[in-house]
Amino acid sequence: DSGVTQTPKHLITATGQRVTLRCSPRSGDLSVYWYQQSLDQGLQFLIQYYNGEERAKGNILERFSAQQFPDLHSELNLSSLELGDSALYFCASSGSGAGGLQETQYFGPGTRLLVL
Amino acid sequence: AQKITQTQPGMFVQEKEAVTLDCTYDTSDQSYGLFWYKQPSSGEMIFLIYQGSYDEQNATEGRYSLNFQKARKSANLVISASQLGDSAMYFCAMREGSSGTYKYIFGTGTRLKVLA
Repeated sequence: DSGVTQTPKHLITATGQRVTLRCSPRSGDLSVYWYQQSLDQGLQFLIQYYNGEERAKGNILERFSAQQFPDLHSELNLSSLELGDSALYFCASSGSGAGGLQETQYFGPGTRLLVL
Repeated sequence: AQKITQTQPGMFVQEKEAVTLDCTYDTSDQSYGLFWYKQPSSGEMIFLIYQGSYDEQNATEGRYSLNFQKARKSANLVISASQLGDSAMYFCAMREGSSGTYKYIFGTGTRLKVLA
């Protein structure tokens, strides 16, 4: 168990709908990252938050948005969903621990999204 | 240009034998981190091992070791005494950037199959 929690584990929805994915980082971690992994694909970095502030953006669509709240949990909002948005969405956190472990990302179990 | 290259899409290894998964990287940063993650068929991303760019000794974690050759920009993962449970996808990743704003780049992965 990495200590990062994600809900829900599975989500089935229809095209055009909007969903919210939730992530709670490990205790003490200030950074939260969101990734998308499509079938048989590598990890695509979407966005990073550090202590409530957006720090880096990757290949995140305009239909997607995220935020990190004062208690450090984060939400990824996906709107106007398309079939191609079906994927495994990971949240990862980093920032606690000593030395190199401070920069190690620990991943949550992921949310498997299926858009029909 | 690919910053993390994993040239082996798939590999087979006999149970109890050692196997090396290749990873080369490209960065102009002096300070960076290298990571390996395991993704079994269940989907979760499991952190295996970390190597800092200034670490002089190769990292080891149980049956995992990272063969770090800085001049060649390679960070190969060695799994000793392979077990059936090692069958999974393995991702190499690199961390660039400064404290608080790290950028993580993942390779495309190597699928390892351990044969009984």
